Amino acid sequence: DTAVSQTPKYLVTQMGNDKSIKCEQNLGHDTMYWYKQDSKKFLKIMFSYNNKELIINETVPNRFSPKSPDKAHLNLHINSLELGDSAVYFCASSPYRGLQETQYFGPGTRLLVL
Amino acid sequence: DAKTTQPNSMESNEEEPVHLPCNHSTISGTDYIHWYRQLPSQGPEYVIHGLTSNVNNRMASLAIAEDRKSSTLILHRATLRDAAVYYCILRDVQGGKLIFGQGTELSVKP
Repeated sequence: DTAVSQTPKYLVTQMGNDKSIKCEQNLGHDTMYWYKQDSKKFLKIMFSYNNKELIINETVPNRFSPKSPDKAHLNLHINSLELGDSAVYFCASSPYRGLQETQYFGPGTRLLVL
Repeated sequence: DAKTTQPNSMESNEEEPVHLPCNHSTISGTDYIHWYRQLPSQGPEYVIHGLTSNVNNRMASLAIAEDRKSSTLILHRATLRDAAVYYCILRDVQGGKLIFGQGTELSVKP
C-alpha cells in the first residue's frame, strides 16, 4: 500500500500554462506539506496544512496555491508557469503538527517547464 | 532554526561501518537532532532522531556529543542500498517544518 502518493510523476509543460499536482496520504495523518527541490538539490518547504487549515506559508509566489479538500489530500495548483518553476515537488504528511513526529514523503513530481 | 554543517560527500566500502558527522554549534536546549536520507530519485525518508542520549533503531545509531554541538549518524554495516544523501536537521520542540541543508552524499563501493 502506498502511504503518500503523488500524481503525476512527471509533468512537462509550456511556460504560461496552469497545472496541478495531486497528493494523497492513506496514513490517517493530520498534517500535510509541500516541498520543492531545485536543480541544486536543495529541499525547501512551501506550505503546510493541518486538518485542512493552512499553517505554514513560506515566501512562495502567489501563482502557487495549495488546496486541501480533506485531510487526506493536499493539491498544488500553479498558475502561469515559469522556467524557474522546474523542480521536483514532494508532498509529505505527519501525524501531528507539533512534537517530533516523523514526516513521510511521497515519491515526487518532476516538473519541467519549457 | 539553527544551522547544521555536514561534509558534502563521503565514501564507504560495503559492509563496513560509516560515521556521518554533523556540526550544530548553535543548537538550543530544546532542539532535537533529526536525520533523514534521500535515496536517488526518491523522496526523503526518516532515519533517526534524538535529544541528548544516544539512540539506536533498526536503521542506524545516533551518537550525540555531551555538549550537543555535534552528532554522528552511524550505519553499522553499509550496503549498496545505503547510498544516498543524508540530512542532519535541527527541529525545535514545537516540531513543524523540516529545514534541509545540503546534506552529505554517501557513496558505497562494493
